[in-house]
Amino acid sequence: EVQLVESGGGLVQPGRSLKFSCAASGFTFSDYAMAWVRQAPKKGLEWVATIIYDGSSTYYRDSVKGRFTISRDNAKSTLYLQMDSLRSEDTATYYCARHYYDGTYYSLFDYWGQGVMVTVSS
Amino acid sequence: DIQMTQTPSSMPASLGERVTISCRASQGISNYLNWYQQKPDGTIKPLIYYTSNLQSGVPSRFSGSGSGTDYSLTISSLEPEDFAMYYCQQYDSSPPTFGSGTKLEIK
Repeated sequence: EVQLVESGGGLVQPGRSLKFSCAASGFTFSDYAMAWVRQAPKKGLEWVATIIYDGSSTYYRDSVKGRFTISRDNAKSTLYLQMDSLRSEDTATYYCARHYYDGTYYSLFDYWGQGVMVTVSS
Repeated sequence: DIQMTQTPSSMPASLGERVTISCRASQGISNYLNWYQQKPDGTIKPLIYYTSNLQSGVPSRFSGSGSGTDYSLTISSLEPEDFAMYYCQQYDSSPPTFGSGTKLEIK
C-alpha cells in the first residue's frame, strides 16, 4: 500500500525558514517524480514544486522560486521542502504527492499524503 | 497560467441523484484534465485522469467527459460517501493549475 507521511510543519515568523519532510513507502520511491501541493485555509489547491525521479531537475511555481527548495533522498525514500523567507501568504496545508509521469507529461497527482499545516505569523 | 473555472461552487443534492460538475479552462487544454475528490478530513484522491479515464479503484458511477476548454465530471447516482469537494486540474501547460472547487452537499 502506498503511503506518504508528512512531518515537520508548525508556526513560523515571517522571514524565517522551515523545512519539512515526507516519508514514502509501498512503492519504489526512486522510480517516481514527487511534488508538493498546498492549500491555503478555506481555499483551493495550488501546485508548489516537482522534482523528477533522480532529483536532477526541479520545477517551481513563480511565487516560490528562489525561496523554496524541493529535494529528495532516494536512499531514505524521503521528500523534503525547504522554505526560506516565508511570507504570510505561504500559510497553508502542504501535501506531499506522487507526480505521475506518463512519458510526455507530469500529469496526475496519483497518491497524496495527509498534509502538514504551516502557519506564517508574527 | 491557465485559469480553471469550476461551476457550481456548491451543489446541494440528494442520495441517488445524478449530478454534473463543470470545469472550463481559459484556453484549450487538449483533454489534459484530471479530477480529484477531497473529503472533509483533508484526504485527497484522484478520480479521473486524461478527461475520461477512471483511476484504479474508483467506482464506475464516476465518469468524465469534455474537450477543448469545457470538461465535466458526472456522478450517476450519489452515495453517502460522495459528499465532498471536487477539483479539476489541467496539465497541458506549466504550472499545473486547479479549479476553485465544487462542494457537493446533502440537500
